[in-house]
Amino acid sequence: EAGVTQSPTHLIKTRGQQVTLRCSPISGHTSVYWYQQALGLGLQFLLWYDEGEERNRGNFPPRFSGRQFPNYSSELNVNALELEDSALYLCASRALGHTGELFFGEGSRLTVL
Amino acid sequence: GQQVMQIPQYQHVQEGEDFTTYCNSSTTLSNIQWYKQRPGGHPVFLIQLVKSGEVKKQKRLTFQFGEAKKNSSLHITATQTTDVGTYFCAGYGGATNKLIFGTGTLLAVQP
Repeated sequence: EAGVTQSPTHLIKTRGQQVTLRCSPISGHTSVYWYQQALGLGLQFLLWYDEGEERNRGNFPPRFSGRQFPNYSSELNVNALELEDSALYLCASRALGHTGELFFGEGSRLTVL
Repeated sequence: GQQVMQIPQYQHVQEGEDFTTYCNSSTTLSNIQWYKQRPGGHPVFLIQLVKSGEVKKQKRLTFQFGEAKKNSSLHITATQTTDVGTYFCAGYGGATNKLIFGTGTLLAVQP
């Protein structure tokens, strides 16, 4: 069974640009979580999608947005990139009604110059 | 908002020594999970505790959930170099159903 897949794995952008990160959850998982992990730091909750709806978001500005598609895959969009957006963006999926364990992808490492 | 803190931030031990990381939440948690992230890797689920005062063991790892369901600990007996990584606790709190991660403890093990 395939795990959570994310793309791209690495990307470099410049300040002011926009980026879209993609995530495919484990088959059968309906919940997708996005976290930001700056270098050497912890995981900051960004967004939670379930059944196609945004269920909760963390303390991030509106230029961080996303969506979940009918097949439960998800996109994270970041507009007007700033230097401090450089981080590893992790996507995780969870089965509805499961114990709550999250399965993480390998992440997308974004560098903003 | 809900905050989950861990101490210590970093611990360096000699192989064979024990290690403990502590997790404290500002709010009562419905459950607590523990994850391990190897250097350059992604977090991997270790265990979940649900009941107040619950203790679970996985080989050399012992996990505890506090009576008030606001704190937890992970203890590793006789560390090995394979234990190197950052250990995160994470909890679901309140009605938000979002999983908030602790600040993490980076464990370094010297052979």
